[in-house]
Amino acid sequence: DQQVKQNSPSLSVQEGRISILNCDYTNSMFDYFLWYKKYPAEGPTFLISISSIKDKNEDGRFTVFLNKSAKHLSLHIVPSQPGDSAVYFCAASAYHNDMRFGAGTRLTVKP
Amino acid sequence: GAGVSQSPSNKVTEKGKDVELRCDPISGHTALYWYRQRLGQGLEFLIYFQGNSAPDKSGLPSDRFSAERTGESVSTLTIQRTQQEDSAVYLCASRPARDNQPQHFGDGTRLSIL
Repeated sequence: DQQVKQNSPSLSVQEGRISILNCDYTNSMFDYFLWYKKYPAEGPTFLISISSIKDKNEDGRFTVFLNKSAKHLSLHIVPSQPGDSAVYFCAASAYHNDMRFGAGTRLTVKP
Repeated sequence: GAGVSQSPSNKVTEKGKDVELRCDPISGHTALYWYRQRLGQGLEFLIYFQGNSAPDKSGLPSDRFSAERTGESVSTLTIQRTQQEDSAVYLCASRPARDNQPQHFGDGTRLSIL
């Protein structure tokens, strides 16, 4: 069962513009949400997270928004840089237990 | 080392053989996870260990898959009688027991079944 869904397999943006990656979830018990970034031949690395008590968390160029009523979260990267090109995974967990991942979105930032 | 270590980094074996994959978590991390990523797909949850609690094995795809962890140390994922569809990257992650902490991943073992 896909409890975390990333419906866009790929996204291409121009350098300097905003990248918006989306994620939907079905389990209302999820209370902790994360974004990971993955380069080829490497494990995913943690990027940013948000607790269900918040609706926004910002870290430099990266901002995560959470809409609990819509069971939707998004990652905004602004300005986008070529080094941001990677696969981005959305993840969620309930009660700090096992974590479920989306299928990933491949972001390409063109110079 | 400071990070999660997985070995081997690559494994090629013949169909029907058994394989054992190893994960060394970050010291002090009580939670340990195994995931599988098939080519072009997302991370598929396999199994989760939390301290001395019974593991959550709900993601294991068949009884050919098993995993063990002794205490809060090394974990091994074993696949018996491998099939070609087992070819994937197997990722291990660990996490501290404290609330709302992200997982830290190893670089994975790329398993190829001929």
